[in-house]
Amino acid sequence: DAKTTQPNSMESNEEEPVHLPCNHSTISGTDYIHWYRQLPSQGPEYVIHGLTSNVNNRMASLAIAEDRKSSTLILHRATLRDAAVYYCIRGRTTSGTYKYIFGTGTRLKVLA
Amino acid sequence: DTGVSQDPRHKITKRGQNVTFRCDPISEHNRLYWYRQTLGQGPEFLTYFQNEAQLEKSRLLSDRFSAERPKGSFSTLEIQRTEQGDSAMYLCASSPRGDYEQFFGPGTRLTVL
Repeated sequence: DAKTTQPNSMESNEEEPVHLPCNHSTISGTDYIHWYRQLPSQGPEYVIHGLTSNVNNRMASLAIAEDRKSSTLILHRATLRDAAVYYCIRGRTTSGTYKYIFGTGTRLKVLA
Repeated sequence: DTGVSQDPRHKITKRGQNVTFRCDPISEHNRLYWYRQTLGQGPEFLTYFQNEAQLEKSRLLSDRFSAERPKGSFSTLEIQRTEQGDSAMYLCASSPRGDYEQFFGPGTRLTVL
């Protein structure tokens, strides 16, 4: 199963929007796109997920390209607490099992 | 706190020893997953339980690894004859029936000397 591709690291100033890109060019039509973030020594924390349409929640927005080969996680106003590793994940069902295929993640640094 | 819990949080062992980790999922979550995460990498799927049935195992799970989920509640992951390459964070996640979102525990960090 092909993993997603993300930049290794990004920086943002506090209070500014952040756009975290993800490439998933081999995604199939039924694969969901999930985003999680992980702080040091903690398990991943859910951020948002979607299939085809753009999605919004209280944490972030997810913009999915029309061809679904890429997506962008948008944090509208970065805070210092948003500094984490962000994972773009393919969620797919194989042999009846729905499982996550993680990429290598983007380490987001937020500058005060 | 009603989240996923894992025990122990840290384990240091010598090569060749056996270790066992425990995961307590969120109550009534029938799906349970184990992942392994090495330094600088994203988690990788190891195995999946639906209730007490182990439905899928990754080829990463060698015959030294065994996982159980008796009675469909907590789960254990045992590694026999540990090797230095087993050093990693072992994450457990659970998910309710009919939902795609997985809830992760804090992980168990294993160091094999």
